[in-house]
Amino acid sequence: DSGVTQTPKHLITATGQRVTLRCSPRSGDLSVYWYQQSLDQGLQFLIQYYNGEERAKGNILERFSAQQFPDLHSELNLSSLELGDSALYFCASSVDSAALYGYTFGSGTRLTVV
Amino acid sequence: AQSVSQHNHHVILSEAASLELGCNYSYGGTVNLFWYVQYPGQHLQLLLKYFSGDPLVKGIKGFEAEFIKSKFSFNLRKPSVQWSDTAEYFCAAAGSGAGSYQLTFGKGTKLSVIP
Repeated sequence: DSGVTQTPKHLITATGQRVTLRCSPRSGDLSVYWYQQSLDQGLQFLIQYYNGEERAKGNILERFSAQQFPDLHSELNLSSLELGDSALYFCASSVDSAALYGYTFGSGTRLTVV
Repeated sequence: AQSVSQHNHHVILSEAASLELGCNYSYGGTVNLFWYVQYPGQHLQLLLKYFSGDPLVKGIKGFEAEFIKSKFSFNLRKPSVQWSDTAEYFCAAAGSGAGSYQLTFGKGTKLSVIP
């Protein structure tokens, strides 16, 4: 157990639907990062939050959004889902706002869009 | 643009063989480098990291990596692999300057160790 908790572990949904993925960072960590892992694209950075504020944005689609709450947990919202959104979504956390020391990863949420 | 490339998609070795996985990065400025491992069905775990100083860094489970600045490389090595090393290995980089907030990952190298 890494200390980063992601729920749910698996999610199957239909095209056009909306889902929410949840992440609780390791105790004491203020930054949360979201990554999408697919076979063809590898690990793609989506977005980072630090202490409740958006800090950096990567290859995140407009259909996707995220937020970090006062208790530091984060949610990634994926809407108007397409087949190509099927992937493993990882959350990671770190104590600092910059990725200087690496991250601690959660076990991921496997999203299947049918 | 910042990028990390890993040379091999899939490496198959017999137990006790030596391992070297290639990683090259393209970054402006000073860079911090990492290797992560992902065992089947598990989360990514940090194997080792390089920030500065001795270019040969040692990590967990007998792994080491060498930073060669002139070659923009950070190859992962292990003298003798075990079946339990079967996993996917990811090289990652982060700039150490202002605005460098996230890790950029390579596409990973899958290692299969045959008993």
